[in-house]
Amino acid sequence: GDSVTQMEGPVTLSEEAFLTINCTYTATGYPSLFWYVQYPGEGLQLLLKATKADDKGSNKGFEATYRKETTSFHLEKGSVQVSDSAVYFCALMDSNYQLIWGAGTKLIIKP
Amino acid sequence: GAVVSQHPSWVICKSGTSVKIECRSLDFQATTMFWYRQFPKQSLMLMATSNEGSKATYEQGVEKDKFLINHASLTLSTLTVTSAHPEDSSFYICSAIILHKAGAWNTEAFFGQGTRLTVV
Repeated sequence: GDSVTQMEGPVTLSEEAFLTINCTYTATGYPSLFWYVQYPGEGLQLLLKATKADDKGSNKGFEATYRKETTSFHLEKGSVQVSDSAVYFCALMDSNYQLIWGAGTKLIIKP
Repeated sequence: GAVVSQHPSWVICKSGTSVKIECRSLDFQATTMFWYRQFPKQSLMLMATSNEGSKATYEQGVEKDKFLINHASLTLSTLTVTSAHPEDSSFYICSAIILHKAGAWNTEAFFGQGTRLTVV
């Protein structure tokens, strides 16, 4: 079945560092891909999404490009801030409109 | 954007009692809602898919008699944890999907804020 694999955390970076969180998927067809973020003590929020190959989702300085050839959707940000500390989830939406989740990656940004 | 309201945000109950969690789509009609459970330091686990007017579809390993799901209207789905035990303590999250057409069909999922259940 469909699955999502993302890099294990925690990922610890200094403020203003470059961020990459890897995400790869296996799926039949052409799923939509998502990054969600969960800040401490809060629920999930959609960070960005891409619905077809080569689409680039972007929001709040974060970007991810839907790469069909490598079945990847890596999350990147050029300069992270302390306020970016959170858990990030990669997900795909399957043909039944169910979200298949990665395990989540905890990001810790130190001042 | 669309809003999904989940209530309560946290609840403490005694072992053996039942707890109902509501999930409402406030400004759209959701034909399908999903219920997830999140264990500490783990990702979301899909429990069931809830379609308006029909029985929920449960994932393997989820006890349908223990986790009762009712999707009585296009804007409300409820999850009732019956005869709760301490091992049911967890974070429960609902989501609703919108299908909309902007050229091609597009889908988007919106999440409630979650319910922290503690069974003592």
